[in-house]
Amino acid sequence: KAGVTQTPRYLIKTRGQQVTLSCSPISGHRSVSWYQQTPGQGLQFLFEYFSETQRNKGNFPGRFSGRQFSNSRSEMNVSTLELGDSALYLCASSLVPGLGETQYFGPGTRLLVL
Amino acid sequence: AQKITQTQPGMFVQEKEAVTLDCTYDTSDQSYGLFWYKQPSSGEMIFLIYQGSYDEQNATEGRYSLNFQKARKSANLVISASQLGDSAMYFCAMREGEYGQNFVFGPGTRLSVLP
Repeated sequence: KAGVTQTPRYLIKTRGQQVTLSCSPISGHRSVSWYQQTPGQGLQFLFEYFSETQRNKGNFPGRFSGRQFSNSRSEMNVSTLELGDSALYLCASSLVPGLGETQYFGPGTRLLVL
Repeated sequence: AQKITQTQPGMFVQEKEAVTLDCTYDTSDQSYGLFWYKQPSSGEMIFLIYQGSYDEQNATEGRYSLNFQKARKSANLVISASQLGDSAMYFCAMREGEYGQNFVFGPGTRLSVLP
């Protein structure tokens, strides 16, 4: 079974631009979460989607948004990019949300904002 | 307050030896899940092992075992017979909340396996 895939793998943008990242979960998985990883802040939760609905959102500004499609694929968008948005963005999927549900991660998208 | 504490920023271990990576957690929930992930330099997070708060037996997965001490709120990862490929960052994580909606990660421990 194919794992979580994320596109693109690498991205360079300039301040003020916007970016869209894509995530395809493991087949059959309906829950998708997004995380931002930086050396200074570590892994921080962005949001979780299940059945096309955002279930939970982390403490990030409104410039960060996401959505999930009927096939469970998810996209996240960052508008008006800032230098501090440079990070590794990780997507994770699980069958459904739940305490015992393991999240499986994709390879990540490395975003560099210049 | 930190939900997940990993007190060892970096550790070294000799190849073929066992190593324990520490993790303590903080939650007022009775039901929660504990996870360990490995992140090599490539960046991908690899799931290693899971322990449920009501599981009475310590979880094991091949060379990985989880030393779960509920009263002390600790969930240490034990890697037996270390291999060079085990060199990576290791993250302890906890899923809590009524619907498991809170998934928090610790700061990680960088493990280096020496030949």
